[in-house]
Amino acid sequence: GAGVSQSPSNKVTEKGKDVELRCDPISGHTALYWYRQRLGQGLEFLIYFQGNSAPDKSGLPSDRFSAERTGESVSTLTIQRTQQEDSAVYLCASSLDGVSSTDTQYFGPGTRLTVL
Amino acid sequence: SQQGEEDPQALSIQEGENATMNCSYKTSINNLQWYRQNSGRGLVHLILIRSNEREKHSGRLRVTLDTSKKSSSLLITASRAADTASYFCATVGASGTYKYIFGTGTRLKVLA
Repeated sequence: GAGVSQSPSNKVTEKGKDVELRCDPISGHTALYWYRQRLGQGLEFLIYFQGNSAPDKSGLPSDRFSAERTGESVSTLTIQRTQQEDSAVYLCASSLDGVSSTDTQYFGPGTRLTVL
Repeated sequence: SQQGEEDPQALSIQEGENATMNCSYKTSINNLQWYRQNSGRGLVHLILIRSNEREKHSGRLRVTLDTSKKSSSLLITASRAADTASYFCATVGASGTYKYIFGTGTRLKVLA
């Protein structure tokens, strides 16, 4: 079946504007993750959704960041009042259950966000 | 918090040579996984090694794990130009399941 998809693939915005990034996980995957990757860096965990459990938001860097997920499908990551330091690639991943220790995460192609 | 760190940060080799990259981490793990990333985009899962395993093979990939040294290595044999990418290790903690801790990556360039 189709892999994880993300949209848009690229987003250029002006400082202070709000942006919404979308992720469509693999069908049947109950767990969904958002990561941020700054240029030349590793991945920073942002948020995790698993089924109907309360999401783990411990990685969100500030209250300007929020994310929602509708059931076990689409998720949106919203960044309000964007700042230049928000410029990065935002990666979404999904996995089958997010619980078993050997559960594998499958990544989307990412959204490259540039804040001018 | 634990963090994987890969070394070298960058590696350039000729096609046909072997490429070795290393990952070190700080706390106890359940497993360690290696991912490849092309052109700064999505990551592709390569291989998972559990904490009670010492070595694992998949095609041209060989992964070793030394829990006493808290380190892992990824060997790519007979490298090809298509192997050019960034390689990341990700650790899954002994107590947690979903929180992968990613290293900073090794940028591999294979010259044709």
